Amino acid sequence: DIQMTQSPSSLSASVGDRVTITCRASQDINTYLAWFQQKPGKAPKSLIYGASSLQSGVTSKFSGSGSGTDFTLTISSLQPEDFATYYCQQYSSYPLTFGGGTKVEIK
Amino acid sequence: QVQLVESGGGVVQPGRSLRLSCAASGFSFSTYGMHWVRQAPGKGLEWLAVISYDGNKKYYADSVKGRFTISRDNSENMLYLQMNSLRAEDTAVYYCAKHKTWLVTDHWGQGTQVTVSS
Repeated sequence: DIQMTQSPSSLSASVGDRVTITCRASQDINTYLAWFQQKPGKAPKSLIYGASSLQSGVTSKFSGSGSGTDFTLTISSLQPEDFATYYCQQYSSYPLTFGGGTKVEIK
Repeated sequence: QVQLVESGGGVVQPGRSLRLSCAASGFSFSTYGMHWVRQAPGKGLEWLAVISYDGNKKYYADSVKGRFTISRDNSENMLYLQMNSLRAEDTAVYYCAKHKTWLVTDHWGQGTQVTVSS
């Protein structure tokens, strides 16, 4: 199975900050990488697929990059509604696997 | 708009069975693959199973292979997860999710809680 490692596991940031989350795959996954946002008690929301393509209706303050084994999710200017947990997921091979999550909290 | 509504969750004893349903609307259900994903209390997301648009391709996580079965009824716009031999570690919120393209998720249901306890 492909292991997905996210870092950091949590971070504290202020409104307006630029935030970057990293996801590393245990083997080459090309760009078969998705990012999801989840708020407490809510279903996940799809943000990005193909490592860098925004899902329909997702604001462009979210951006993704990377290929192979190293990927990043960047939030350009953190807003109160962005405080949540973010997950990466590889869909290069079965079983699909998620990273452990990065909790973004208010400083 | 796309709507996915899970049902069928509840409290069940270890070793028993449960069938989850996901009612889909707002899109052409028969042309998209679908996933089941779960989240144990306080834990991250775990992918469980995927089914192709026509039901001919199915893949499972090792943790549920042989115990859980994903299926669909395109005439009723329904997705199912038959869960047998349930264990305490299967306690989680179960989500169905729609594909945008094969394996790429774009929409999620609100989830249904399954608790396995004696």
